Amino acid sequence: KAGVTQTPRYLIKTRGQQVTLSCSPISGHRSVSWYQQTPGQGLQFLFEYFSETQRNKGNFPGRFSGRQFSNSRSEMNVSTLELGDSALYLCASSLVGGDRDHEQYFGPGTRLTVT
Amino acid sequence: AQTVTQSQPEMSVQEAETVTLSCTYDTSENNYYLFWYKQPPSRQMILVIRQEAYKQQNATENRFSVNFQKAAKSFSLKISDSQLGDTAMYFCAFMKLYNAGNMLTFGGGTRLMVKP
Repeated sequence: KAGVTQTPRYLIKTRGQQVTLSCSPISGHRSVSWYQQTPGQGLQFLFEYFSETQRNKGNFPGRFSGRQFSNSRSEMNVSTLELGDSALYLCASSLVGGDRDHEQYFGPGTRLTVT
Repeated sequence: AQTVTQSQPEMSVQEAETVTLSCTYDTSENNYYLFWYKQPPSRQMILVIRQEAYKQQNATENRFSVNFQKAAKSFSLKISDSQLGDTAMYFCAFMKLYNAGNMLTFGGGTRLMVKP
């Protein structure tokens, strides 16, 4: 099975712009979660989607949003970019139910640099 | 809110030896999962091992095993026969079992260097 894929892998944006990141989960995985990784704050949960609905949300401003499509692919959007949004954004997918329930498998990440 | 603490920012071990990484967590929950993830320099996060809180038996996966002490809220990872490819950041993570939803709370990580 193919793993979690994320596009693009690298992105450079300017302050004030917006950005959309994409994540394709492992085939059959219906839950997709997003995390932000920075040297200062470490790994922080952004949100989780399941069946096209947001199930959980972390403590991030409303500039961060996401959605999930009927094929379980997910996108996250960051509007009005700030320098502090520079980070590695990780997507993780998981099965719902079964022995492997709750195990999250991560993609390679999108490295976002805001200048 | 849950917190996860990894008190060893960096560790090193000689190839073929054994090393133990520490993790403590704070929660009022009774049902939860604990995980260890590995993030090598390539940055891809890899699931190493999982422990269900309701299971008394410690989880093992080949050279990786855990020492889960629920009362002490401790969850350490033991790597036996360390290999150069084990060089990575290791993150301990907690997941509360809601009726629905997956959300990992991570520790700050331990950088492990395996020396030849």
